[in-house]
Amino acid sequence: SYVLTQPPSVSVAPGKTARITCGGNNIGSKSVHWYQQKPGQAPVLVIYYDSDRPSGIPERFAGSNSGNTATLTISRVEAGDEADYYCQVWDSSSDHLWVFGGGTKLTVL
Amino acid sequence: QVTLKESGPVLVKPTETLTLTCTVSGFSFSNARMGVSWIRQPPGKALEWLAHIFSSDKKSYSTSLKSRLTISKDTSKSQVVLTMTNMDPVDTATYYCSRIRVGSSSFIDYWGQGTLVTVSS
Repeated sequence: SYVLTQPPSVSVAPGKTARITCGGNNIGSKSVHWYQQKPGQAPVLVIYYDSDRPSGIPERFAGSNSGNTATLTISRVEAGDEADYYCQVWDSSSDHLWVFGGGTKLTVL
Repeated sequence: QVTLKESGPVLVKPTETLTLTCTVSGFSFSNARMGVSWIRQPPGKALEWLAHIFSSDKKSYSTSLKSRLTISKDTSKSQVVLTMTNMDPVDTATYYCSRIRVGSSSFIDYWGQGTLVTVSS
């Protein structure tokens, strides 16, 4: 089955740029979606189809996907961005199966 | 306004069958570009996809849990039901139902609030 690998944690100072990676075999050939989850809350979609932002998500959130790595980039990080972030793909090689990455805890220093 | 709300027992005993209901509003099950998915999250751990169902009634299940899961929908009641058999303490988790947007890929655009299910004797 398809595996998505995320770093367990990323730390960044306020105002700086955070990059959260999601690794997978030839992930660039798939569409990657990203979710933000704050403690005690349901996840929220922040990026879909690699780089599209839902309405209401700040432009500071951006996504890219190429080769074996997809990346969620958060510019001008704010304290309120501290959360867990998960990537997700649809593994079309299987029967509509979904895969989530293991999640990355973003800490704002 | 799209809403999804999970309901079901908060406590189940080992070996019992869990039945969770997701009641939705604000969208139609007949919309070919939408579906409903169940996701769970053990305390302090990552999200795990369980199953989803589409307007066509096509269903997909997590490979590791397929033998224990059944998903179904009742369009007249705007409900999606997930059953999981032979519950174990490791199945203790918050269970979310969610709306799927379907296109060349698929993703979740709306989530329910989640319901915590504890498995204990």
